[in-house]
Amino acid sequence: GDSVTQMEGPVTLSEEAFLTINCTYTATGYPSLFWYVQYPGEGLQLLLKATKADDKGSNKGFEATYRKETTSFHLEKGSVQVSDSAVYFCALSDSDTGRRALTFGSGTRLQVQP
Amino acid sequence: DGGITQSPKYLFRKEGQNVTLSCEQNLNHDAMYWYRQDPGQGLRLIYYSQIVNDFQKGDIAEGYSVSREKKESFPLTVTSAQKNPTAFYLCASSIASRRFNTEAFFGQGTRLTVV
Repeated sequence: GDSVTQMEGPVTLSEEAFLTINCTYTATGYPSLFWYVQYPGEGLQLLLKATKADDKGSNKGFEATYRKETTSFHLEKGSVQVSDSAVYFCALSDSDTGRRALTFGSGTRLQVQP
Repeated sequence: DGGITQSPKYLFRKEGQNVTLSCEQNLNHDAMYWYRQDPGQGLRLIYYSQIVNDFQKGDIAEGYSVSREKKESFPLTVTSAQKNPTAFYLCASSIASRRFNTEAFFGQGTRLTVV
């Protein structure tokens, strides 16, 4: 079945540092890929998405590129802020499975220190 | 504003009791989902529904039940058969497309604690 693997956290960075959170996937078909963010005690918010190979999703300074050859969708940000502290989830949606529900990674907690 | 509303935000249940979590959406989405989140873990799919009056089991359906009598509503019942129900429950909805993979929109969650 489909699966998503992302790097374990927590990731602790100083403000203005460069961020990378790794995400790789396995899928039956040709999935769409997503990054969601979760702030404490809240639901998930869509951060960015990509629907085909070489697409780059971007939002709020975050970027991720759909790499089909390496089955990866790594999240990056050039300069993190304290307000970016949250849990980040990589996810995929694969209509070929017939299920269409999102499959999630285990999440990576990011802590940004002033 | 369009969105997904889950209620209540916090819920306490005694052992042996059934409890129902509410999820309502006004996004006109056909598909709805229930996920369970445990501390430090990802989201696991409990049940999903692609259309009114139809739903399917997800990966951890045992001890849970759902109904989909209206497009806007997808309540989840946590039964006494669920051995470890304390968790954060998230409801989501999406467009149900046969051709495209679409993102899901999430509610704010319900934290269920068994006391």
